[in-house]
Amino acid sequence: DQQVKQNSPSLSVQEGRISILNCDYTNSMFDYFLWYKKYPAEGPTFLISISSIKDKNEDGRFTVFLNKSAKHLSLHIVPSQPGDSAVYFCAARFSNDYKLSFGAGTTVTVRA
Amino acid sequence: EAGVAQSPRYKIIEKRQSVAFWCNPISGHATLYWYQQILGQGPKLLIQFQNNGVVDDSQLPKDRFSAERLKGVDSTLKIQPAKLEDSAVYLCASSLVGTRAFFGQGTRLTVV
Repeated sequence: DQQVKQNSPSLSVQEGRISILNCDYTNSMFDYFLWYKKYPAEGPTFLISISSIKDKNEDGRFTVFLNKSAKHLSLHIVPSQPGDSAVYFCAARFSNDYKLSFGAGTTVTVRA
Repeated sequence: EAGVAQSPRYKIIEKRQSVAFWCNPISGHATLYWYQQILGQGPKLLIQFQNNGVVDDSQLPKDRFSAERLKGVDSTLKIQPAKLEDSAVYLCASSLVGTRAFFGQGTRLTVV
């Protein structure tokens, strides 16, 4: 039972433009959401997170938006850079439990 | 600060053989996770340890998978006997209690 879904397996964007990655979840009890970035042959690394009490969190070029009523979150990368080419995973967890439920990932390719 | 160390990086075995993976978490991290990532999917939690005790192993196929964390530090994950569908990247992650997880580079297992 996939509780976190990333319906776009891939995204191609030109350098300097905005990348928008989407994530949907089914369990309204999820309390905390994270984005991880993964390069080939490396483990996922934490990128940015958001608590369910917020609707936006920003860190430099990365902003995550949360729409609880729609059970949807998105990651915006502005401006996109070649080093952003990677697989991005959306993940969610409950407040009293730190194990993560991951989406299938979106592969971002930033074109020069 | 040293990251999460995993070995081996790659392993190829025949079906019905056994295999073991090793993980050394970040020093001081009490929580340790093993995730399985099948190609095209997001990581799926297999087991979570708190020190040397199991917190959650509900997703671990216990007829063939086993894991231990002796002395609350290093951990090993074993598969015996392996099946073709066990081909995946096995990721180890660790965290301080109640904080986000740091992942190792993973072990890529191919069962032929």
